[in-house]
Amino acid sequence: EPEVTQTPSHQVTQMGQEVILRCVPISNHLYFYWYRQILGQKVEFLVSFYNNEISEKSEIFDDQFSVERPDGSNFTLKIRSTKLEDSAMYFCASSKRGGGRTSGGSSSYNEQFFGPGTRLTVL
Amino acid sequence: DAKTTQPPSMDCAEGRAANLPCNHSTISGNEYVYWYRQIHSQGPQYIIHGLKNNETNEMASLIITEDRKSSTLILPHATLRDTAVYYCIVRAPMGGSNYKLTFGKGTLLTVNP
Repeated sequence: EPEVTQTPSHQVTQMGQEVILRCVPISNHLYFYWYRQILGQKVEFLVSFYNNEISEKSEIFDDQFSVERPDGSNFTLKIRSTKLEDSAMYFCASSKRGGGRTSGGSSSYNEQFFGPGTRLTVL
Repeated sequence: DAKTTQPPSMDCAEGRAANLPCNHSTISGNEYVYWYRQIHSQGPQYIIHGLKNNETNEMASLIITEDRKSSTLILPHATLRDTAVYYCIVRAPMGGSNYKLTFGKGTLLTVNP
């Protein structure tokens, strides 16, 4: 079964450094997402990406963050100058479509498939 | 997206059905009910979603009340591997600026041997 993959699984960096988190979405998916989860807290949406542009972003996704799809398979999240509070688990997700127009059951067009996450530790 | 209310935790015996409730009394007519789960430290996993009809797939069943103000996720024969946090998410169809999943605190389901 196809799955979303993420690298690295764990990244340790010094405050102020730039980090790039990498994701390979499922190959026929068109919508891509980043979420994060600070330890013990909720999963929070960061950004969604479709057709080579950001389609929605949260307040967390400020100028320190950027996303890119540099080729046909990778989707990256860059944090320009990391802060201590950026320490979190970062999840990439992808979906075939973004819509919720079909009913449930075996339909697989709308749901987001998540990767295993990258644990980012900022020291 | 409508707000949801779930109990913070539930227990279930292995092999028995687990019934996880969710209240979404402010749901709008075009909003879907999605269920995801997160096994410790892993990425969220899609389970099922529905609009107004009951739905079943290989993982679970989703029962939505007629007034759509609440729903129940049913895991028919819970196993130890079903121990996870279960999230009920109400979400409008995509379009405009609506792409994200909004996760709450969910219900921690513990399946006991």
